[in-house]
Amino acid sequence: RKEVEQDPGPFNVPEGATVAFNCTYSNSASQSFFWYRQDCRKEPKLLMSVYSSGNEDGRFTAQLNRASQYISLLIRDSKLSDSATYLCVVILDTGRRALTFGSGTRLQVQP
Amino acid sequence: EAGVAQSPRYKIIEKRQSVAFWCNPISGHATLYWYQQILGQGPKLLIQFQNNGVVDDSQLPKDRFSAERLKGVDSTLKIQPAKLEDSAVYLCASSLEVLRTEIKNTEAFFGQGTRLTVV
Repeated sequence: RKEVEQDPGPFNVPEGATVAFNCTYSNSASQSFFWYRQDCRKEPKLLMSVYSSGNEDGRFTAQLNRASQYISLLIRDSKLSDSATYLCVVILDTGRRALTFGSGTRLQVQP
Repeated sequence: EAGVAQSPRYKIIEKRQSVAFWCNPISGHATLYWYQQILGQGPKLLIQFQNNGVVDDSQLPKDRFSAERLKGVDSTLKIQPAKLEDSAVYLCASSLEVLRTEIKNTEAFFGQGTRLTVV
């Protein structure tokens, strides 16, 4: 089983739509969670951290469910510029502190 | 603030040849990572340094890959000899600090990567 699993998509949505991505992680002792965004042929960049209480940044909302080992990202009022790959990232509590990435979910927002 | 610098941006080599990549992290960042990203996949950690010491190299194919971090700053990643399946983007990233007992300042900043094609 992969340490971090995501639906690869692609998700094709019209502008203005609401879209949600899910991610599951295998290690229950995982400590920190993030969503990174990667544009085509570019490097990943931090979109937002994910906190136990859930957090929101403008049109983006991240949720963490530790019991189900599940992370989500909700994007409201999608813009064309939101088209990218969204990477779920976890820091596993196995002594390794590096970021462990999912395979990414591709989003294409269409006019 | 200058970002993570990597070179070269692109490299094409024949299988069994050697190749080296260079990374200069953000000034003051103690932690440096090398990731391999194969097309259509997420980045996979190859090696993590804390200052000039190796924290994790469990996924580094040590028969052909090596990495060092000189004086806790710049780093080089080498592949010798290269195989066709090494074709990927090699991403270097740095973060302020990741302590064993505390997750702190873990945002990782990535360089633009080196796109390697092995033919």
